[in-house]
This record gives sequence, C-alpha cells and structure tokens, in this order.
Amino acid sequence: GQSLEQPSEVTAVEGAIVQINCTYQTSGFYGLSWYQQHDGGAPTFLSYNGLDGLEETGRFSSFLSRSDSYGYLLLQELQMKDSASYFCAVRGLLDYKLSFGAGTTVTVRA
Amino acid sequence: EAGVAQSPRYKIIEKRQSVAFWCNPISGHATLYWYQQILGQGPKLLIQFQNNGVVDDSQLPKDRFSAERLKGVDSTLKIQPAKLEDSAVYLCASSLEGGANVLTFGAGSRLTVL
Repeated sequence: GQSLEQPSEVTAVEGAIVQINCTYQTSGFYGLSWYQQHDGGAPTFLSYNGLDGLEETGRFSSFLSRSDSYGYLLLQELQMKDSASYFCAVRGLLDYKLSFGAGTTVTVRA
Repeated sequence: EAGVAQSPRYKIIEKRQSVAFWCNPISGHATLYWYQQILGQGPKLLIQFQNNGVVDDSQLPKDRFSAERLKGVDSTLKIQPAKLEDSAVYLCASSLEGGANVLTFGAGSRLTVL
C-alpha cells in the first residue's frame, strides 16, 4: 500500500509563497498528483508529476524527487481564493489505486 | 461538458437505517470511483469500476456496503445498515480510463448518521 504524509495546516498572507511538502512510502507508483478542495466542494485536479523535476502551471508549481520519496506543491502570489485543502495522491503500481494524503489546510490572510 | 452528478447532496438517517447514493459520471468516462471522506481526512477509495466490472473493492466494508454500475454508466452506492462511523462525504469520481491521474469529482453526498 501507500502512505503519504503532509503538514496539516499552513497559514500565510496574501501575496506570499507557500510550499506544501508530501513525503510518501510506496512499493512503486506512477506519479504524484495534487488536488485542491474548497470547503464543502469537490476535489479538483491541480497537477501531476510523472517524472522527477518541476512542473509549472500558472501560479502553482509541483515538484517530484523519486530518490528522496518527496514532492511539494508551491503556491505563489497567494490569493484569498487559494484558501482550501490541498491533497497529494499517488497511484500504486501494484494495486493501481489512487491514494490520497490527509490534506493540508491553507489559510490565506489579508 | 457536464460534470459528475451526485444525489442526494445531504442525507440524515438514524443508525441501522439504509441509504443509497447515486452517481452519473462524465459521458464517455469508463472508470468510476466511490471515495469516502471523513471530516478532516483525505478521500479513501471504496470501490473502482472499469465499465461495469469491479477493479478494486478491497476497502469496501462488504458486510454493509454495496455498489453497482449497471450498463457501465450510472452507479449506486448503498449502506445497510448504517453505523455512526459511516458519517462522511461520499464522493463519486470518473476518469477516461483506469490509469488516469486526472479524476473529476462530483460535489459529494454528505451523510450524517445519528
């Protein structure tokens, strides 16, 4: 199975940069995904890293290092609308399930 | 394109009662997932369908939970009898195929068991 760890909460001010780390233990996986979920809303896909390195999508970037069993999501130029929970997820090579971490709640303050 | 539709959005029942949730995935999506999300936790996969066949149901409490996806489109998740610990949001998601990393989730069905 897979085990993913991420911080439970992060607070920052508008315009700041936040990095959400995700460390994982897995017997093999296809890649690392990130999802955003606003309170009471549906999780929505943000990014995917199949290979090591940095992927950039607008204000959001995601990074993966398979050798370190580590990835992160970088939120730049924080806006109030970025207040949400962010989940890292991996799809296992053996069981093929997409497993999610417990999530990081990001609170953006004015 | 239309998103993943789920109903009902909210349901309150007493323990030992039964409940059913319905999901209509995005048209053309072969893979359908049911996740359980307990407050403050990440989504946990209950069951995954590929068309109308079950790919994974290893975390489905089969003594009380059942799910079906007839004709490879809509799906129903049933809980009978419900327990207090079943209080959660039940999220349906779909993807083009089973190996996809982009899942589209519905808004969820929030269940409260009293």
